[in-house]
Amino acid sequence: DIQMTQSPSSMSVSLGDTVTITCRASQDVGIYVNWFQQKPGKSPRRMIYRAANLADGVPSRFIGSRSGSDYSLTISSLESEDVADYHCLQYDEYPWTFGGGTKLELK
Amino acid sequence: QVQLKESGPGLVQPSQTLSLTCTVSGFSLTSYNVHWVRQPPGKGLEWMGRMRYNGDTSYNSALKSRLSISRDTSKNQVFLKMNSLQTDDTGTYYCTRVGGPYYVMDAWGQGASVTVSS
Repeated sequence: DIQMTQSPSSMSVSLGDTVTITCRASQDVGIYVNWFQQKPGKSPRRMIYRAANLADGVPSRFIGSRSGSDYSLTISSLESEDVADYHCLQYDEYPWTFGGGTKLELK
Repeated sequence: QVQLKESGPGLVQPSQTLSLTCTVSGFSLTSYNVHWVRQPPGKGLEWMGRMRYNGDTSYNSALKSRLSISRDTSKNQVFLKMNSLQTDDTGTYYCTRVGGPYYVMDAWGQGASVTVSS
């Protein structure tokens, strides 16, 4: 199975920060990576698809990028509504696998 | 409006079988795939398996021996059955839609909370 190693597992942040979360794939998954945001008690929400494409209704401060086997989600000018858990997903190969998740917490 | 909604028992006894239903609206099960994803309390997401638009299924090998996914297109429903439940199967179970490479998990149900306990 493809491993998606997500880091950090948690991050203490301040409003207005630029935050970067990374997933490293254990083998090539091409552009087939999505990022999801999940708030407590809620379902995941797709934020980025195909590594770098903004999903409908997602603010432009969310940016997805790829460098080799590393996939990043960057949130610029963090707002209070962005404080949540974030998950990456590879869907290049079955079984699809998620990263372990990153929890953003306010300082 | 695309909607998915999970339903099923909130409590299952150890060694028993979990049965969940995902009822969809706003799209056709013969055009889109439906996947199941679960999340233990306080932990990450795990892909379980999927029902393809043509009726084909695929399962996570870690669960394959216990898991079955089926559907009734006339009722717009996808079913998950998993047997031999243990306490570490406790969590929230989601169904989510996949419709080609641009529509991967673009809509989710609200989740069904399942507790495995005697």
